[in-house]
Amino acid sequence: DVKVTQSSRYLVKRTGEKVFLECVQDMDHENMFWYRQDPGLGLRLIYFSYDVKMKEKGDIPEGYSVSREKKERFSLILESASTNQTSMYLCASNTFSYEQYFGPGTRLTVT
Amino acid sequence: ELKVEQNPLFLSMQEGKNYTIYCNYSTTSDRLYWYRQDPGKSLESLFVLLSNGAVKQEGRLMASLDTKARLSTLHITAAVHDLSATYFCAVEDSYGQNFVFGPGTRLSVLP
Repeated sequence: DVKVTQSSRYLVKRTGEKVFLECVQDMDHENMFWYRQDPGLGLRLIYFSYDVKMKEKGDIPEGYSVSREKKERFSLILESASTNQTSMYLCASNTFSYEQYFGPGTRLTVT
Repeated sequence: ELKVEQNPLFLSMQEGKNYTIYCNYSTTSDRLYWYRQDPGKSLESLFVLLSNGAVKQEGRLMASLDTKARLSTLHITAAVHDLSATYFCAVEDSYGQNFVFGPGTRLSVLP
């Protein structure tokens, strides 16, 4: 079974803190994705990566950065967390032209 | 730009009834995916439709794809309470690296 894991299920941070969200997949997938999900706004793509050290901006990259140093790991970084970044963050992975497999999600609250 | 729409966005139906959820998309694609999300949980893959005329069935759910009409349907037969969830369709863009998700259809099956 494909497994995508995320470092935390729930996270509470203060405004201005630097936040790291980690995602690991065990299926040797080339592509990895970070989404945020907010009520009424659906899933919005933040960044994706199709190879190690490669990244592409999604629809809402502002305020975020990513890192992919190893194929199995994709990190999302909030350089200076703000309250409008309170959200559910979902990581996903796939190989080309197959369905995405999602992690359990991280519910981040910024106070 | 690829846009994906779903209707209805909210659906309340009685057990035993049939209904169809529609997913329309704006540009050419022959790869469409359906996901299910339970409250507070992540997304789970339901169907992968990879060509015009593709039809997949699992239990009380059947999905189909008409690439010429840019339309996919998710048909629910004799609904049961366990099908209550939010259903998303996602379309793969022409580069084969990015998914665009619809807004989701929140389904409630009432006894």
